[in-house]
Amino acid sequence: AQSVAQPEDQVNVAEGNPLTVKCTYSVSGNPYLFWYVQYPNRGLQFLLKYITGDNLVKGSYGFEAEFNKSQTSFHLKKPSALVSDSALYFCAVRDILSGGYNKLIFGAGTRLAVHP
Amino acid sequence: DAGVTQSPTHLIKTRGQQVTLRCSPKSGHDTVSWYQQALGQGPQFIFQYYEEEERQRGNFPDRFSGHQFPNYSSELNVNALLLGDSALYLCASSLRSGGTVNEQFFGPGTRLTVL
Repeated sequence: AQSVAQPEDQVNVAEGNPLTVKCTYSVSGNPYLFWYVQYPNRGLQFLLKYITGDNLVKGSYGFEAEFNKSQTSFHLKKPSALVSDSALYFCAVRDILSGGYNKLIFGAGTRLAVHP
Repeated sequence: DAGVTQSPTHLIKTRGQQVTLRCSPKSGHDTVSWYQQALGQGPQFIFQYYEEEERQRGNFPDRFSGHQFPNYSSELNVNALLLGDSALYLCASSLRSGGTVNEQFFGPGTRLTVL
């Protein structure tokens, strides 16, 4: 079965420090991976995606993610955290059985708290 | 350019009732997906509509049904509501274009509370 795991319920980081939010996946074949962010009482906002190509993907708001096929990971990173980055982050993988349709399987989410 | 819009924002129903949620996709998008996000969990895929037909369905009972209109907007209907249906219902739109895997854009959601 295809799945996404976000091993940390919460990540705490000081403002200005680098941050990493972890994600591992389990799919057969080549994965299509996504990161979304959710602010309170808001829907999900797209940050970035990995389809193919360069293992380092750059996205919105200074975020980037590193695809590692051997470790089946797709960790979200940012060199310098801002207090405004505090939110709920979701990793997702496209269901490989969805054919040409884009059914996403989400992880449980990681809450990022950036402290001043 | 308006993004994905959903209505209503909040809804309170009682067990056994029926509810209809509405979604207008982002301009230019032709595919609409619905997700259920229970408190403290990630979104769970309900189904996806393209060309007015249900194309993919997640592990949800037949009480959950939907519709897509010619203008690409969509409705999610839930019959015989249960307490466990209380959740944030998210609509997402995307553009289906050949082999390209396009990201989904999400609306703000409808918060459904079943009493």
